[in-house]
Amino acid sequence: KAGVTQTPRYLIKTRGQQVTLSCSPISGHRSVSWYQQTPGQGLQFLFEYFSETQRNKGNFPGRFSGRQFSNSRSEMNVSTLELGDSALYLCASSLGGTHQSDTQYFGPGTRLTVL
Amino acid sequence: QQPVQSPQAVILREGEDAVINCSSSKALYSVHWYRQKHGEAPVFLMILLKGGEQKGHEKISASFNEKKQQSSLYLTASQLSYSGTYFCGAHPHSGGGADGLTFGKGTHLIIQP
Repeated sequence: KAGVTQTPRYLIKTRGQQVTLSCSPISGHRSVSWYQQTPGQGLQFLFEYFSETQRNKGNFPGRFSGRQFSNSRSEMNVSTLELGDSALYLCASSLGGTHQSDTQYFGPGTRLTVL
Repeated sequence: QQPVQSPQAVILREGEDAVINCSSSKALYSVHWYRQKHGEAPVFLMILLKGGEQKGHEKISASFNEKKQQSSLYLTASQLSYSGTYFCGAHPHSGGGADGLTFGKGTHLIIQP
């Protein structure tokens, strides 16, 4: 089975711009979660989508949004970029069950640099 | 609230053992362990559910003490390939699978030949 794929792998943007990141989950997985990883804060949960619906959201401003398509692929959008948004953005896919044993598998991430 | 991992970093010689701890101030239902090498995605190692379960994968095992709200990862006879940053991810007791994992800040493990 192919793993989780993310595109693009690297992005450079300037402050004020917006960006869209894409994630394709493992075949058969219906849940996609997004995380922001920075050296200072570590891995922080952004949101999770299941069956095209946002099922849970972390503590990030409204500039961060996402969506999921019928094929479970997901996109994440960040508007009005700030320098502090520079980070590695990881998506993780899982079967999407509500049991805590549902295992998440991470993609390689998109490295976003905001200048 | 983020789980607290300790130690923050550890340097070992190949063949030595290591223990990485993950503690939470909130009740835990499950703990997920991942390893991330520099520039790569976190790789799933194992998941532990409440009940004091212990799991193992080759020379890497883990325990979960629900009463203490703590999990420990044990690396036995460490190999060079074990180097990386280890993260624990926790599901809060009251949450369901719909809650995102809350990760600790990671433990950097360096194995030297």
